[in-house]
Amino acid sequence: DSGVTQTPKHLITATGQRVTLRCSPRSGDLSVYWYQQSLDQGLQFLIQYYNGEERAKGNILERFSAQQFPDLHSELNLSSLELGDSALYFCASSVTGDGYTFGSGTRLTVV
Amino acid sequence: EDKVVQSPLSLVVHEGDTVTLNCSYEVTNFRSLLWYKQEKKAPTFLFMLTSSGIEKKSGRLSSILDKKELSSILNITATQTGDSAIYLCVVPSSNTGKLIFGQGTTLQVKP
Repeated sequence: DSGVTQTPKHLITATGQRVTLRCSPRSGDLSVYWYQQSLDQGLQFLIQYYNGEERAKGNILERFSAQQFPDLHSELNLSSLELGDSALYFCASSVTGDGYTFGSGTRLTVV
Repeated sequence: EDKVVQSPLSLVVHEGDTVTLNCSYEVTNFRSLLWYKQEKKAPTFLFMLTSSGIEKKSGRLSSILDKKELSSILNITATQTGDSAIYLCVVPSSNTGKLIFGQGTTLQVKP
């Protein structure tokens, strides 16, 4: 157990639907990062939050949004889902900005 | 644009062989380079390198950073089938803290 908890582990949903992925960072870590890993691509950075505020944005679609709550957990919302959104979504947390701990990921399948 | 490049992209060896994985980077204000191993799920941390020429070692795995050549190598000696995985080289961007991933090297160790 890395200390970073992601739920759910697997998610199957239909096109057009909306889902919420949740990440609880390791205790004491203020930064949360979201990554998308598709079959034919490496890990693509989506967005970073630090202590509740958005810090950096990567290749995140407008249909996707995220937030970090006062208790530091984060949620990634994916809406109007398309088949191409099927991927592994990872959350990572860090405190120093150098060491990163990954959660076990949420596998999203859009059918 | 910050960039991390790994080679080879894919490698097949037999148990007992020694492998060397390469990573080169072009990142503004470099601070550290990290190696991760990804099997079926979350990337797991292997090494963090910050100083040039100092080898980090963990069992059969070792890694070293060459800041002059902007590169790092990951060595695995006496490979085992359990070493089969994707090995990711990652450099944090000092501006945003986001992780810049290489494409990964897929290692397959055959019995």
